[in-house]
This record gives sequence, structure tokens and C-alpha cells, in this order.
Amino acid sequence: SQELEQSPQSLIVQEGKNLTINCTSSKTLYGLYWYKQKYGEGLIFLMMLQKGGEEKSHEKITAKLDEKKQQSSLHITASQPSHAGIYLCGAVYGGATNKLIFGTGTLLAVQP
Amino acid sequence: SQTIHQWPATLVQPVGSPLSLECTVEGTSNPNLYWYRQAAGRGLQLLFYSVGIGQISSEVPQNLSASRPQDRQFILSSKKLLLSDSGFYLCAWSRTGGSVGYTFGSGTRLTVV
Repeated sequence: SQELEQSPQSLIVQEGKNLTINCTSSKTLYGLYWYKQKYGEGLIFLMMLQKGGEEKSHEKITAKLDEKKQQSSLHITASQPSHAGIYLCGAVYGGATNKLIFGTGTLLAVQP
Repeated sequence: SQTIHQWPATLVQPVGSPLSLECTVEGTSNPNLYWYRQAAGRGLQLLFYSVGIGQISSEVPQNLSASRPQDRQFILSSKKLLLSDSGFYLCAWSRTGGSVGYTFGSGTRLTVV
């Protein structure tokens, strides 16, 4: 079973609208990463969260990690066409290998 | 500064042909190395990771294999490609231990025909 689930799987919003993407882990994680990807291209690092209750912002994107470190949300304010793409959350559960396990991804389309 | 190189960018191969994708890292030593595959433009699946030369761990059973002949070189291979091997392959590296960041290559789009 998937350790990391994202919702929704896909999302279509009108330009200027706010949106939230959720990432839920089946167990407590060590670190949570958010990436953005244009289809067929490499990953763009957005943010990394590690402490329970932590919140980070970059431009119009805010990411939060809950106190139990099992759920994260990514919020985009006043969406723009440039925000369109695939959003991926990745989790590290500790250990020497530091394996980064990804969620199922969320495909975001922003309509002008 | 650290960089990661992955090639080729695109590849079209017939079913049954061999495969070799290469990934190299510069500017660091003893990195953790990873191969991911992305099918249908969605989530990334971890295929292999390596914590050192010659040390390869496989995450999922498959038609592919990986090797790490040098500290900063990671190779993804197959003896005979299947249609289901088509996808977008990404290589990544991270430092060992502590709070780490992950740097990804630009990816290889493989189409098996």
C-alpha cells in the first residue's frame, strides 16, 4: 500500500482562486518535501518541512506540516497559469539511506 | 558547487534491446544515489538506491538493474527492454545523514516501441 497519499489527484481552478493540496503519511515522517514538475521535466524544489507545526512560505505558496508530522498541506494563493504543473510531496522516514518516497502527485491546471 | 548530469534526455528503443542510462554527480563525495521512474506523468516510484560503490538496493521487482562502478556514477540497465519499461527516469543524489536535500537530474524519457 502507498505510504504517502496526495489529494486531490487532479485539480482545475480559475486564475486568481486559492487552492490546497494535501499529503498524508501512514506513519510519522522525518522530513517532508514539496516539488513542482512540468510534465516531462525535472523537479523544482519548493520547500522542506521537518518540525511538527512548521510552516514555510515562498511567494504565493505556503506549506504546513501538522504537529504529528503525518500530514502536510500546500496552499497557493491567487493562482496563476505559471502555477500549473504536477505537485509532488516526498517523505523521508529516517535511516541511513535517506530514501525519499513520493506521493501519488497532484496535477494542477489553472484556467485563465 | 554540486551538479548532477543525466543522459540521454530522450531515448527510443525497440522491445528486447538493451538499455544503459548514466548519471554522474560532481562536486561532492560519497553521495547517496537514487533512480526513480515516473509513469503516466504522475508520482515518482523509487527503483534503486545506493549508499556506496557497489552497494545497490532494489525497491521493486522489475526488469531493470542498477550499478555503481564509481563513487559518483550510477547506471540503470536492462538486458531486454519491455514495453512496460517506458517512462520518465530521474536520477537524484543526497548527502548522507542529518537534514538532507535532494538534487534531481533533468531526466530521461524512454519510449520502448
